[in-house]
Order: sequence, then C-alpha cells, then structure tokens
Amino acid sequence: QTVVTQEPSFSVSPGETVTLTCALSSGSVSTSYNPSWYQQTPGQAPRTLIYSTNTRSSGVPDRFSGSILGNRSALTITGAQADDESDYYCVLYMGSGSWVFGGGTKLTVL
Amino acid sequence: EVQLVESGGGLVQPGGSLRLSCAASGFTFSSYSMNWVRQAPGKGLEWLSYISTSSSTIYYADSVKGRFTISRDNAKNSLYLQMNSLRDEDTAVYYCARRGGSCPTNFDYWGQGTLVTVSS
Repeated sequence: QTVVTQEPSFSVSPGETVTLTCALSSGSVSTSYNPSWYQQTPGQAPRTLIYSTNTRSSGVPDRFSGSILGNRSALTITGAQADDESDYYCVLYMGSGSWVFGGGTKLTVL
Repeated sequence: EVQLVESGGGLVQPGGSLRLSCAASGFTFSSYSMNWVRQAPGKGLEWLSYISTSSSTIYYADSVKGRFTISRDNAKNSLYLQMNSLRDEDTAVYYCARRGGSCPTNFDYWGQGTLVTVSS
C-alpha cells in the first residue's frame, strides 16, 4: 500500500516563502512520478497549480513553483498572500494505472 | 469554455447502486482521457478511476475495483460512473476531471462535484 505524505498543516506570514513537500512511504519521489500540485478552497473543486514536477498551469502566478527537493516533490510559494490560504494536494502517478494523492496540507496565512 | 458538470448524486442505502454522469462541453471530449476523483467529508482527494479516449484502457483504485464501472459515450460527450454495492465509506463528493496533455497527473479541468451519501 503506497502512502503519499504531506505536512498536515503549515502556517506562514504574508510575504514569506513557504515550501510544502510530498513524500513516499518508501522510496524517493522523482520526476518519473510526474508529481502535480492542486489548490483547493472550501466548497470548491481543486485547481491545478503545477504539473509534471515544475510546469506551472495556465494562469497560475509565478510565485508558485515546483521542484524535486532531495527525495520529495516540493511546492514553493514565494511571497505568500492572504488568498493563498487553502488546502494543497500533491498527486503521483505510480505506474500501471495507479494514481495516489497525498493527504493534503492546510496552509494558513496570518 | 471548458465545462464539466456532474449529476446523479444523492442519498442511497448501503448495498444500493447509483449512476453518476459528467456532461462535458467546450472541448473535443473524444480527444481526452477522463478520471473520477472523490473527496469524503473533511478528508482529502482520492483517485478512483481512469478511462482512455476510446475506452480501450480503464483503471480502478483498489477501493472500488469490482464495485464501480467507468464508461463514456463520446457521441453524447458524457462520462459515467456506475456504483454498485455502495458502502458507508463511499460517502463523498465525486468529481470528474479531464486529463490534460501527456502528463498523467495533470487533471486540468474539474467539475464542481456531486455529493453521494450512503446511509440507512
């Protein structure tokens, strides 16, 4: 059973930089897993931020960036803003027709 | 404008069945693979099922394999999820999501979701 782990919660002050991560229960996350990141506010459908590790989706501000940091996928928000307060989910393609979402990170901006 | 609109959710008893639909518009539906993803109340996202453009390739999460069936009708621009043997733990908002391009994890458009409640 593959488990994808994210920080349950994170707090950041406006204007600061925050990095959220996405890890595998066993092994390292690499670009071959095609990690993508989604933002979701309460009552809304998820919105794509980053796909294929580091490609920003159309219309996403450039303060959002994706990378591989060590053995994890990472989403960095440079200069967090109040409306970045959301839940963030990563998803990995495990191969053989299997996708796994992380448990999500609740980001608070205050 | 790309739109995905789910329907068919509602209250169903454990062991019952429900069929969800996802109506697509604003793009050439037959050219895109599609997925179903769900979210239990207060919980995270869970990928459920994938179907390729011609329905030749279908995948399911272990949690729904053997109980749920994904299908599509390209002539009607519609995606479906037949859910049988429903359990309490299937209670969730169900989203259809389009796969954008070649990246398998790029679910570039989502519907607003339809709520399925399994309860006696």
